[in-house]
Amino acid sequence: EAGVAQSPRYKIIEKRQSVAFWCNPISGHATLYWYQQILGQGPKLLIQFQNNGVVDDSQLPKDRFSAERLKGVDSTLKIQPAKLEDSAVYLCASSSLGVNYGYTFGSGTRLTVV
Amino acid sequence: GQSLEQPSEVTAVEGAIVQINCTYQTSGFYGLSWYQQHDGGAPTFLSYNGLDGLEETGRFSSFLSRSDSYGYLLLQELQMKDSASYFCAVRRSGNTPLVFGKGTRLSVIA
Repeated sequence: EAGVAQSPRYKIIEKRQSVAFWCNPISGHATLYWYQQILGQGPKLLIQFQNNGVVDDSQLPKDRFSAERLKGVDSTLKIQPAKLEDSAVYLCASSSLGVNYGYTFGSGTRLTVV
Repeated sequence: GQSLEQPSEVTAVEGAIVQINCTYQTSGFYGLSWYQQHDGGAPTFLSYNGLDGLEETGRFSSFLSRSDSYGYLLLQELQMKDSASYFCAVRRSGNTPLVFGKGTRLSVIA
């Protein structure tokens, strides 16, 4: 089966600019997650979708970050305006309902804000 | 809230056995998971422990003691390709997202 697809793979922007990331989960996976991973740290949840509804966005900095999952498949994550501290890898993951199988992560988008 | 503690770095010799420990504090507990991440790569799922005891998958085993809020990942017959970061992760319930530890960087040396 195809994995979780993410694009772009790398992005460099200046602070105060906007950026968008795209994710296509594994077909049939109802749950989709966006995580932020700062270098040397573990992934930190930004938002969780179940189909096209938001389950948990408690850690999403809503003044600058937004995410949507239209039609319960693809998802986009946007940052506007970006700050230097947003430099990180943005990981998308999807899962089916069985917890034993874990999450499948995409390769991520490495964002550098200069 | 939830917090996880794991060693930041571990070094082991090729062919040896290494154990990576994880202690956690969480309000509500629905299992301990382990993920492997090579530099520049995506985290990949290794194992899940929902109940106390040992789960074995090839060279990797994972253990959980819910009463001690403790688990470990055991890697046997270490290979150079096992050099990576290993993350433990917990969730409060079946539909809540995973919370990851800061990771343990494993270096396998010849």
